[in-house]
Amino acid sequence: AQSVTQPDIHITVSEGASLELRCNYSYGATPYLFWYVQSPGQGLQLLLKYFSGDTLVQGIKGFEAEFKRSQSSFNLRKPSVHWSDAAEYFCAVGVINNNDMRFGAGTRLTVKP
Amino acid sequence: DAGVTQSPTHLIKTRGQQVTLRCSPISGHKSVSWYQQVLGQGPQFIFQYYEKEERGRGNFPDRFSARQFPNYSSELNVNALLLGDSALYLCASSLDRYGYTFGSGTRLTVV
Repeated sequence: AQSVTQPDIHITVSEGASLELRCNYSYGATPYLFWYVQSPGQGLQLLLKYFSGDTLVQGIKGFEAEFKRSQSSFNLRKPSVHWSDAAEYFCAVGVINNNDMRFGAGTRLTVKP
Repeated sequence: DAGVTQSPTHLIKTRGQQVTLRCSPISGHKSVSWYQQVLGQGPQFIFQYYEKEERGRGNFPDRFSARQFPNYSSELNVNALLLGDSALYLCASSLDRYGYTFGSGTRLTVV
């Protein structure tokens, strides 16, 4: 069955430091992959998506993600974190036969001054 | 352009009651999906509708139903509410597959 694993429940980084959030998926075919960000009490904002083509995907707010088929991973990166990046981050995989998206449990990012 | 709009933003219901949540997709988007997000978890897929037809259904009981109207707006209905139905209900729209532009959600509290 299709699934998404985000191994880190909570990550703390200092402002200005680099960030990498991990995402591993289980899927039988080439997946459609997404990263979302959610601020407390808010809906989800799409950061970036991968459907095909270049495996390094650029998104909004300076985020990027790299699809690695051999590792079944789609990790999210940012070279320099800002205090406003503190939020919950969700990775998701698109399930073709049912048109749904399976979300990971999320990684909460705290940014230290 | 307006984004995905959901109403109401918050509501409180009593166990056993019924609730209707509404969603207006982005103009031109024909697909609407519904998700349930329980506190501390990722969203769980409930339904997807495209051109007024159900295209996908998640693992939810028959108490959950939805429909899509000719203007592509959608309603999610939940009957016989349980305490465990308390959650943020998210609507997402897209041009085709994978409704992936989300609204801000409706916070449902069942007491």
